[in-house]
Amino acid sequence: SQKIEQNSEALNIQEGKTATLTCNYTNYSPAYLQWYRQDPGRGPVFLLLIRENEKEKRKERLKVTFDTTLKQSLFHITASQPADSATYLCALEEAAGNKLTFGGGTRVLVKP
Amino acid sequence: GAGVSQTPSNKVTEKGKYVELRCDPISGHTALYWYRQSLGQGPEFLIYFQGTGAADDSGLPNDRFFAVRPEGSVSTLKIQRTERGDSAVYLCASSLIEGGTGELFFGEGSRLTVL
Repeated sequence: SQKIEQNSEALNIQEGKTATLTCNYTNYSPAYLQWYRQDPGRGPVFLLLIRENEKEKRKERLKVTFDTTLKQSLFHITASQPADSATYLCALEEAAGNKLTFGGGTRVLVKP
Repeated sequence: GAGVSQTPSNKVTEKGKYVELRCDPISGHTALYWYRQSLGQGPEFLIYFQGTGAADDSGLPNDRFFAVRPEGSVSTLKIQRTERGDSAVYLCASSLIEGGTGELFFGEGSRLTVL
């Protein structure tokens, strides 16, 4: 069966450190993988998109990698700040599809 | 408006009642999506509209759920004979990119509670 797995345990991290989140997928052939941030009671907000032929994408303090052999994406927040505390969702779309399928999200708590 | 607007923000209803949830996408966005999110879970796809037509409704859980987008802009998600298991946050998103998925712009959601 198809699965998108993110660590369901919250990630507690000290301010200034790098947070690394994992997104693993099974039985998908994604053309795109996206990362979203979601704050409590709010809708998800787009952060980054990476294509299957891209290894890495950066945006300010964020970095995403995409390894189609390992079927995994890593999401890094460098120099983390308390304002980065939120749930982070990965989502993928297959080449033949037209919808994003989301993982369960990982909650990040950055402590000052 | 500037973003995706969803109404109502909260809806409490009794089991068996009929519910309508409205989504007003960003102007000019032809692609519109409905997702459902339960507590502690990621959004679950329900239906995708391209213009006025439902291009993919494979995520609708059963025939109690129906969605329309008659003029290619505002969409309404309709739930008949609500059940307690329908309680969730219903998220709407729109996108400028047709066919392939670009960035999705989400609304704040409609929280449905079925008593």
